[in-house]
Amino acid sequence: GAVVSQHPSRVICKSGTSVKIECRSLDFQATTMFWYRQFPKKSLMLMATSNEGSKATYEQGVEKDKFLINHASLTLSTLTVTSAHPEDSSFYICSARTGGNEKLFFGSGTQLSVL
Amino acid sequence: QQPVQSPQAVILREGEDAVINCSSSKALYSVHWYRQKHGEAPVFLMILLKGGEQKGHEKISASFNEKKQQSSLYLTASQLSYSGTYFCGTGQDNYGQNFVFGPGTRLSVLP
Repeated sequence: GAVVSQHPSRVICKSGTSVKIECRSLDFQATTMFWYRQFPKKSLMLMATSNEGSKATYEQGVEKDKFLINHASLTLSTLTVTSAHPEDSSFYICSARTGGNEKLFFGSGTQLSVL
Repeated sequence: QQPVQSPQAVILREGEDAVINCSSSKALYSVHWYRQKHGEAPVFLMILLKGGEQKGHEKISASFNEKKQQSSLYLTASQLSYSGTYFCGTGQDNYGQNFVFGPGTRLSVLP
């Protein structure tokens, strides 16, 4: 089955540093990738939608200058949390799909802890 | 707009049945169902598209009533492995635009 690889699975960083999270579709071309943030026992909150070769579409309330998303190829999207602060600590998860109403394949998630 | 799920949480004994509902205030084109275990990524269960679909996967099935803008997930003869949080995701058009997840229903199956 289709696999989405997300790295790193866990990262601890100091306040003020930037962290990059990678999301790769290993055996299919993902026309669209999504980035979510999830708090404990809460739902998946969509942060942004990215299509290969175009700028990401951010959800209302998500700072695009803080959460930089790059979707350089049909198999790779990256999320960079710039100048991270403790309130950015969360579980970040990506997903990918091949078409409009196709099922989503999820990465394994990244637990970010900002000290 | 985020769909509503009910119940928020349910506790079952192994072998019992459960129904999880998902409803939206907006017209729906598609409904997805996913299950997430603690600390893991959500796993796809099924998609239902406009047209009043019903689907089944072993002892897990779902229905989609587009007129009522709602979907239900049916878990029969639940197993311990069914424990987790179930999310519905709804899409409003054929392109999968405005896809949003519900708040989740936490299911615990006890021996």
